[in-house]
Amino acid sequence: NAGVMQNPRHLVRRRGQEARLRCSPMKGHSHVYWYRQLPEEGLKFMVYLQKENIIDESGMPKERFSAEFPKEGPSILRIQQVVRGDSAAYFCASSPSGTGGQETQYFGPGTRLLVL
Amino acid sequence: AQKVTQAQTEISVVEKEDVTLDCVYETRDTTYYLFWYKQPPSGELVFLIRRNSFDEQNEISGRYSWNFQKSTSSFNFTITASQVVDSAVYFCALKRGNAGNMLTFGGGTRLMVKP
Repeated sequence: NAGVMQNPRHLVRRRGQEARLRCSPMKGHSHVYWYRQLPEEGLKFMVYLQKENIIDESGMPKERFSAEFPKEGPSILRIQQVVRGDSAAYFCASSPSGTGGQETQYFGPGTRLLVL
Repeated sequence: AQKVTQAQTEISVVEKEDVTLDCVYETRDTTYYLFWYKQPPSGELVFLIRRNSFDEQNEISGRYSWNFQKSTSSFNFTITASQVVDSAVYFCALKRGNAGNMLTFGGGTRLMVKP
């Protein structure tokens, strides 16, 4: 009965390095969402993916950020050449499907990224 | 555009008091969904409730109750007889019914329940 899994839970990077955040959705869920929570703020949508497809990336910064959800394995949020402003909590959520609008998104525990 | 406003950034109560967390939303959609999530000090996000725009019945779950009023675009959350374990940040969120899958979150309300 595993929920959404994210790893690592905490990640420290120096400016200019790459950060890779992983998310395994709940069993039976094929839709994944990534959100970012800056300190003392609410969550902001970044990207929505299905297996092998990016459906909506309207919240993703145009540069340095990318996401994938391969046929096999977890979804990956990748941040290249990190800067201090990337320090935040990154949450992944999953739902059984994306249709109907009423699907509840269940969240993982988040990855706290700290850029030194 | 969708918008969710949680005007109360921080609330402090003493254990056993009742407390209401306000949520006001803006949307042009006729079909939409409202959510509440709890973020305890440990940091994870816990789903509490989903409400459909076409169902204005209030809901009660133990000490938790939700009051959905379309006339005022509000979806308020009341905790009765609060407990220290209720201390958390609570987020209200909105999702469009027929377009897009993203959740639009409010800024959150930090609830502190003192013994």
